[in-house]
Amino acid sequence: DIVMTQTPLSSPVTLGQPASISCRSSQSLVHSDGNTYLSWLQQRPGQPPRLLIYKISNRFSGVPDRFSGSGAGTDFTLKISRVEAEDVGIYYCMQATQLRTFGQGTKVEIK
Amino acid sequence: EVQLVESGGGLVQPGGSLRLSCAASGFTFSIYEMNWVRQAPGKGLEWVSYISDSGNTIYYADSVKGRFTISRDNAKNSLYLQMSSLRAEDTAVYYCARDLWYTGLFMDVWGQGTTVTVSS
Repeated sequence: DIVMTQTPLSSPVTLGQPASISCRSSQSLVHSDGNTYLSWLQQRPGQPPRLLIYKISNRFSGVPDRFSGSGAGTDFTLKISRVEAEDVGIYYCMQATQLRTFGQGTKVEIK
Repeated sequence: EVQLVESGGGLVQPGGSLRLSCAASGFTFSIYEMNWVRQAPGKGLEWVSYISDSGNTIYYADSVKGRFTISRDNAKNSLYLQMSSLRAEDTAVYYCARDLWYTGLFMDVWGQGTTVTVSS
């Protein structure tokens, strides 16, 4: 089974400052079809998760461009260029290359 | 409006059974793969089960294999999760979420969740 490991688990950020979350998989997420099925989701307090990024770096419909994804193989990053109050929540990476696995989640909070 | 609505959660004793439903609307349900994902109180997300668009391919997490059964009725735009031999550790909010493999979009729409509590 693929294990997803996120760091940090908590990220206190000043409003307007950047934030970065890393996600590492226990094996390559490159699928036999050549795609890498790594997504990022956001879960605001009391809400279901929401898709932000798919296939490493593609922003989902309606997602602000301050969110960006990058990476390859086993190492991936989600960046928020300037954190806003509405970005508070828990962020999860998820792989869909082999079944589905979520990272432990990273809590983003305002300092 | 694209929507997924879960129902069927509740309080059940250890060893008991429960059937969750997920009603889809606003999109062509029959072309989407579907998942159940759960979240224990104060914990992270755990993938539970997957079913292909036709229902011919099914996968389960090891934690529920042999106890849970996923199914779908495309004519009724509905997804189901039959849960049996329930344990305290199955207590969670259960979400349904859709996939569309060929686009690379996984879990792009989620329901609000239904709460399952396993306790005596």
